[in-house]
This record gives sequence, C-alpha cells and structure tokens, in this order.
Amino acid sequence: DAKTTQPTSMDCAEGRAANLPCNHSTISGNEYVYWYRQIHSQGPQYIIHGLKNNETNEMASLIITEDRKSSTLILPHATLRDTAVYYCIVSQNSGGSNYKLTFGKGTLLTVNP
Amino acid sequence: GAVVSQHPSWVICKSGTSVKIECRSLDFQATTMFWYRQFPKQSLMLMATSNEGSKATYEQGVEKDKFLINHASLTLSTLTVTSAHPEDSSFYICSARDPDRNYGYTFGSGTRLTVV
Repeated sequence: DAKTTQPTSMDCAEGRAANLPCNHSTISGNEYVYWYRQIHSQGPQYIIHGLKNNETNEMASLIITEDRKSSTLILPHATLRDTAVYYCIVSQNSGGSNYKLTFGKGTLLTVNP
Repeated sequence: GAVVSQHPSWVICKSGTSVKIECRSLDFQATTMFWYRQFPKQSLMLMATSNEGSKATYEQGVEKDKFLINHASLTLSTLTVTSAHPEDSSFYICSARDPDRNYGYTFGSGTRLTVV
C-alpha cells in the first residue's frame, strides 16, 4: 500500500472549517483514499473515501488533486466533538474483495472553543 | 450503516490465563475480518486477517499460537489471547466491510485488555 504523510497535529476554532492535508505521492491507479478518525479509546470511525473525484457526504468533503498525489479532508463547521486523530489511508477497494487498511500516525485535530 | 459489535469492551485478567474477544457483524455478512492492536499513544497495528472457514493470515511478528483466531461463521470472528502476560495489555479492535455498501470498513468499539 502507498504510504501517506500527515501533519502530526492541527488546531481549529469551533465553528470554523478544518482542513486536514494528506500527501500520498506514491498512490497507484487502483488505490482509493480513505479517511477515518478515532476519538480517544474508541474504534476508528469511517468518514469518507474517494478515487479521483471530489466527494462529499454528511460528515465531510474530500478534495483530491488532479494528479492524486495529495488530498484534503474538510470538516465544514468543526465542533468540539470533532477533536480526534484523523487517519488518511490509501488502499485498494475492489468489489467484494477485502484489502487491509494500514494506519499511519494520523493528525491530532484539536477543536478549540 | 454497517454495524460491528465487539465484546467485551474491557476485561481484566490474571497473568497466565486466556481471554476471548468476540467480533460480530450485526447487519451484514463478512467473509473477512481484521484484528488490530493499539498501544497507548500509538497507531493501530494490524495483527491478522480472519477468513471465514479457513486459517487466519497473521502479520509478521505476530505469534499465531498466542493469538488464536476463529472465524466459524459469516458474522462472528473471535480472538483468543492465550497465556496472557502484562505486555499483552492493549486495546484490541476488529473491523469488517459490508461488500454491498459503498463505504469503507466498519470498526468495532474495541476491547481494553489489562493483564495483571
């Protein structure tokens, strides 16, 4: 699996947009970009994933650069409950097949009042 | 959405005893489940891939005789930590993916194991 690089930590003011960057310069053509987050002492929570087009769901937006070498997760209006470690992971996703997810160190996002 | 239930959420056991952790997919069938371990202030480390009806695949450095995995049905995988020692104290997490839904893997809530 391609390796990802994320900042160790970021801060964001409550109510503002949180933009979390991720570099994945060695991503291959069949690998998706996944974002998960983990709140302290809980299992990771799926946020969003994409291949090459930008994606949006009720939680966040994912912006992938045209060359797919980097992406940004956007939480449009961060709340205190969004404080967590955010993981950017690249992995294949092929129909019913199951490909393992390899976690890096992630970004600790702290949302401040 | 897909739900993965993990039980127990926490357990304390004496050194030398065995502990079983269950991982269930509640509203979908999972031919494959994954087991992770997380030490304090560290990221998740994949331990093994659990395959329904066949042997688990272990990551390098993970002792298969110590961490027994059984995936006897399409909705249940178990991880048994045998002869547990204090260094096995960790947060154990399972995950699975619903192949009929277009999103990523769902994780259980984790099991905090403390060996005393």
